[in-house]
Amino acid sequence: AQSVTQLGSHVSVSEGALVLLRCNYSSSVPPYLFWYVQYPNQGLQLLLKYTSAATLVKGINGFEAEFKKSETSFHLTKPSAHMSDAAEYFCAVSERWGGKLIFGQGTELSVKP
Amino acid sequence: DGGITQSPKYLFRKEGQNVTLSCEQNLNHDAMYWYRQDPGQGLRLIYYSQIVNDFQKGDIAEGYSVSREKKESFPLTVTSAQKNPTAFYLCASSSSGRGAYEQYFGPGTRLTVT
Repeated sequence: AQSVTQLGSHVSVSEGALVLLRCNYSSSVPPYLFWYVQYPNQGLQLLLKYTSAATLVKGINGFEAEFKKSETSFHLTKPSAHMSDAAEYFCAVSERWGGKLIFGQGTELSVKP
Repeated sequence: DGGITQSPKYLFRKEGQNVTLSCEQNLNHDAMYWYRQDPGQGLRLIYYSQIVNDFQKGDIAEGYSVSREKKESFPLTVTSAQKNPTAFYLCASSSSGRGAYEQYFGPGTRLTVT
């Protein structure tokens, strides 16, 4: 069965600092992987997705993620945090057929001025 | 504009009452999903449907019911059998079949039962 683990339920960074949100997956077949962002009391918005075309995936708002098969990881990074990046971030893995997603528990990102 | 609408944004009900949450999409997606979100627990799948007139239970279907009579609509009923109905409910849709199909989410409905 597929699963996703997000390390750290809360991450706090200073404005301008590197953002690193960790995601590890478990899958018996090459997965599709996604990162979503959720602002308070809103739905989720897709940041980026990995579909096996390239291991480094660039998304919206300056975020990117690198797929590392040997580490079964898909960590999300951004070189310089903005106050507007404060939100909850979810990593998800999908089956190769059907669109059903398995979500991690989420990581809340705080950005200090 | 294409997207998913959920109504209402906030919903208040008395314990023992059934309540139906609306979800409509105009993205021409075959698949639709309902999730429940509680603080610190991520998203938990309640029901999903990959085609009209068919749906499957997710991880926490007890106390909920759905219908899928139209491609555009996937209403969720929270019944009085649901022990802890107060939560944030999210509806999503996606294409289906073989491929990396992201889900598109609605704005959510916050249900409070007292």
